[in-house]
Amino acid sequence: EDQVTQSPEALRLQEGESSSLNCSYTVSGLRGLFWYRQDPGKGPEFLFTLYSAGEEKEKERLKATLTKKESFLHITAPKPEDSATYLCAVLETSGSRLTFGEGTQLTVNP
Amino acid sequence: SAVISQKPSRDICQRGTSLTIQCQVDSQVTMMFWYRQQPGQSLTLIATANQGSEATYESGFVIDKFPISRPNLTFSTLTVSNMSPEDSSIYLCSVVMAVEAFFGQGTRLTVV
Repeated sequence: EDQVTQSPEALRLQEGESSSLNCSYTVSGLRGLFWYRQDPGKGPEFLFTLYSAGEEKEKERLKATLTKKESFLHITAPKPEDSATYLCAVLETSGSRLTFGEGTQLTVNP
Repeated sequence: SAVISQKPSRDICQRGTSLTIQCQVDSQVTMMFWYRQQPGQSLTLIATANQGSEATYESGFVIDKFPISRPNLTFSTLTVSNMSPEDSSIYLCSVVMAVEAFFGQGTRLTVV
């Protein structure tokens, strides 16, 4: 059974204080690992898909990396508008359903 | 990419009643997925809706409680039946295209 574990559950940063979120996963075969941002009361907003170990993707202050067992979402010099819940999900090769982690709630204080 | 329109965006319903949520996609997709997100929690898959066949439900979810329709390749509905306060959640539809997954904006349901 696919498992996705995110840590920490919650993270408070000062504006400009860089950090990383972790997503550990167990799947029989990885088709893709997804990162989403979710604001309160809204649907998940797609950020990145990573397909293979060693891959990296960047978007503004965010950079996602992937190894064979985990993914990191690095946030460089965050701003208060980066405050949200960040969700990680995996799609295995044999299926079409996503398995989600519990999310990391990020708060960036000015 | 895919654009998903979901409605209603929110509703407040009386216990014992039913609510039907609609999901429209701007392109044809084979499978559509319905998720529930309870307050403060992550997304849990309710069922997979295939066009032309019965939906496939995950453990803990049954067709009598969450009937799903999939009349064509761009549209699906999820009904939350005989609602109780425990059904208060955000309900989301999703599609997977190639290896990208997209979500509607969600329906925030409050049952009183």
